[in-house]
Amino acid sequence: QKEVEQNSGPLSVPEGAIASLNCTYSDRVSQSFFWYRQYSGKSPELIMSIYSNGDKEDGRFTAQLNKASQYVSLLIRDSQPSDSATYLCAVYIPLLSGYSTLTFGKGTMLLVSP
Amino acid sequence: EAGVAQSPRYKIIEKRQSVAFWCNPISGHATLYWYQQILGQGPKLLIQFQNNGVVDDSQLPKDRFSAERLKGVDSTLKIQPAKLEDSAVYLCASSLEARYEQYFGPGTRLTVT
Repeated sequence: QKEVEQNSGPLSVPEGAIASLNCTYSDRVSQSFFWYRQYSGKSPELIMSIYSNGDKEDGRFTAQLNKASQYVSLLIRDSQPSDSATYLCAVYIPLLSGYSTLTFGKGTMLLVSP
Repeated sequence: EAGVAQSPRYKIIEKRQSVAFWCNPISGHATLYWYQQILGQGPKLLIQFQNNGVVDDSQLPKDRFSAERLKGVDSTLKIQPAKLEDSAVYLCASSLEARYEQYFGPGTRLTVT
């Protein structure tokens, strides 16, 4: 069973701080990695994708990928109360058919206090 | 660009009844996915279509769930008969092609009583 692991949290940070969310995955051949944000009662919203080792920055968000360690993380700088949500890590796991299936972690709840 | 559309948004049925959900993907997206999300869990893939063909349905409970994507556009997911444990949010997503970014619709919240 291919797995994606996340700490369920909650992760509590004060407004303005850096929030660090972590994710590990079990399949070494995975090539595509995503972070989704999900507000309570809403559907997941794509916020970052990363395909190569290293860092990828988009505004206040930075995704980090280390394929050797099978580790992907999301940093949120200058955290705002509106960032309070569950963050889902998702990884494409290859199938024998040649296609891939997107496997999600259980998500980490982030709480940003004013 | 219009997003993924789903209907209905909410549905309450009794166990052993049947229910159907509809999804219209983003225009031009070849790959369509149905997920089940139970409270506190990440989405679980039920079925993946590439155009109108099934790519992966390994986690679809085929004794009660069925799905089709006629003409490679809209899709319908059906549950018959429903069980209490089917209470969940059913999410439809689409992507330009397999292994690309997936975009989700608003979901259908199903309650089975």
